[in-house]
Parts: sequence; structure tokens; C-alpha cells
Amino acid sequence: QVQLVESGGGVVQPGRSLRLSCAASGFTFSSYAMHWVRQAPGKGLEWVALISYDGSNEYYADSVKGRFTISRDNSKNMLCVQMNSLRAEDTAVYYCARSFGGNYPDFDYWGQGTLVTVSS
Amino acid sequence: QSALTQPASVSGSPGQSITISCTGTSSDVGGYNYVSWYQQHPGKAPKLIIYDVSNRPSGVSNRFSGSKSGNTASLTISGLQAEDEADYYCSSYTSSSTVVFGGGTKLTVL
Repeated sequence: QVQLVESGGGVVQPGRSLRLSCAASGFTFSSYAMHWVRQAPGKGLEWVALISYDGSNEYYADSVKGRFTISRDNSKNMLCVQMNSLRAEDTAVYYCARSFGGNYPDFDYWGQGTLVTVSS
Repeated sequence: QSALTQPASVSGSPGQSITISCTGTSSDVGGYNYVSWYQQHPGKAPKLIIYDVSNRPSGVSNRFSGSKSGNTASLTISGLQAEDEADYYCSSYTSSSTVVFGGGTKLTVL
């Protein structure tokens, strides 16, 4: 069965960095675009970033552009996001999600999420 | 990348139908037939219930339906059930090759 398991969340000070990972299993990882979506406590969903199935294209929300970098290793079935210059407003549960529609928001599988708290 | 506009809350009685709107622009909702809807129960990951405006994934009840007119997409839930009480989010592909979500709608089943 399809599984997405995020890890790497925690408490980090403003201005520092954190790297989240998402381990995929149960499907041909290299055939699907992958996304990161976040949700601040008590707030709505916010799309963060997308990487194409082969890693050749990346797209970012304006709120994270220049600070976050999405990447994937298809040989290890792993999706990552490197988050630099973190701000308090980056505090959220971060979900990885599989899109069966490529770049389109057809997220049929989601991970359980990992909480990132940016605080001094 | 402004969020799509959804009503903050809607409510209905069991058995009734409700509709949730999702308004964007010609650069997102109005420009593409790539609107999806998600249901999220407290403490859980979102669940895809409608994709590409009006398609239901396998296993999703046919009580859920989607449509679009111009820059506004809509989700209709018919025959409301207690388990439908949740937060609902729309999302759309954009002209910048990105994705935008709506602010979310809390559905209360009275």
C-alpha cells in the first residue's frame, strides 16, 4: 500500500535551517510529481513546493521562494525540503503529498505530517 | 498567489444538501479545469474528494459532486451525514505552474 512518512520536524530558532524528509513506499516513486503542503496551527492549508517526477522542474510558493529548496532521490524513494532562514510564520505541520496529475493539485496520498516550530 | 476565497463556515441538517463556493481568478480557477476539493477531519491529513473540477476518486461517495462556472468552483454535498462534518478546502492549478488553496470552510452538521 502507498505510504508517505515525513520526518525531521522539531523546534528551531528563527534564522536557522531544517531539513525535512518524506520516505515513500508502495508505488513507483519515480513516476509521480511530489509536493509539500503545510498547515499552521489552527489555520488552513498552504501549498509550499512541487518537484516533477524526474526532479527536472521545481516550483515554489512566493512565501518560501529563495529560502526553501525541494529535492528528490528516486533511487532512495525519498523527497526532501531544505528550509533556510526560517521565520516564525513557517511554523506549521508539513505534509508531503503525491500528485497523480503531475503539477496539478490531485493529491491522492498524504503523509501524516511533521511539525516544525520556529521559536526562540 | 492570493488564496482562493471560500466561506468560513456553512451548516446544514442531516439529509439536506449544501454547497461550498471557491472563487478565484482567470489565472487559476477560471483558466484551468484543475480544481480539487479536500475533506479534513481534526488531527487528520486531508483527503481528496473531487479532482479536475468534477471527478470523484474511487471510494468517494457519490453524495459529493463538483462543478465550475467562470472563476468560481463549487462543491455540493447531498444527503448530509454526521460524518461529513469537517473542514473543506478547494485548490487550483495556476498560470504560474503553482498550486493555490482556498482558506477553508468549516461544515457543521446540525
